[in-house]
Amino acid sequence: EAQVTQNPRYLITVTGKKLTVTCSQNMNHEYMSWYRQDPGLGLRQIYYSMNVEVTDKGDVPEGYKVSRKEKRNFPLILESPSPNQTSLYFCASRVGGGLNTGELFFGEGSRLTVL
Amino acid sequence: GENVEQHPSTLSVQEGDSAVIKCTYSDSASNYFPWYKQELGKGPQLIIDIRSNVGEKKDQRIAVTLNKTAKHFSLHITETQPEDSAVYFCAASIPSGTYKYIFGTGTRLKVLA
Repeated sequence: EAQVTQNPRYLITVTGKKLTVTCSQNMNHEYMSWYRQDPGLGLRQIYYSMNVEVTDKGDVPEGYKVSRKEKRNFPLILESPSPNQTSLYFCASRVGGGLNTGELFFGEGSRLTVL
Repeated sequence: GENVEQHPSTLSVQEGDSAVIKCTYSDSASNYFPWYKQELGKGPQLIIDIRSNVGEKKDQRIAVTLNKTAKHFSLHITETQPEDSAVYFCAASIPSGTYKYIFGTGTRLKVLA
């Protein structure tokens, strides 16, 4: 089954404790991206990757890191989480890293709470 | 920068009625406009999209219209059913080097039985 898998789905952590949210897709997609969803703000892009070893900042990259060492995986790293990073996070992927169109396939989301 | 405004933020309709959600984009170079549906506890899922060389596209009870001059596009759902209740997001994409979609803030649609 074609899917984007995120882990963990739910996480409560404390300020400053490094964490990683993993994302894996099995569709051989070039393009992957991370979004955060906050009430009243919709989906905002954190980072994206057009292909292996190619990553770039989205609209809200502060406090986050990513890496793309393999085509299927795109982990999101919070080196020192703060309460303002409490949010619902989505990983997404699509074909065509060099295109600006095409269906985004989203994971089921990771709800993060930073105390 | 690029911006997509979406209205209304919430919409309640009676089952069987129509629902319309409107979005306005700021960058006239935008050329691709998808709509996503997010059911409770799940990730958004594409339901319909339209490209800038087309004025309207329909898929069963769902249609999208695009007015490039006014820079707005709309989602129309006819004969609404309870399973249409969800959050809907519009988005716009521009053919520059950013390769990203700008999403609207979402509309929570409630279909009342």
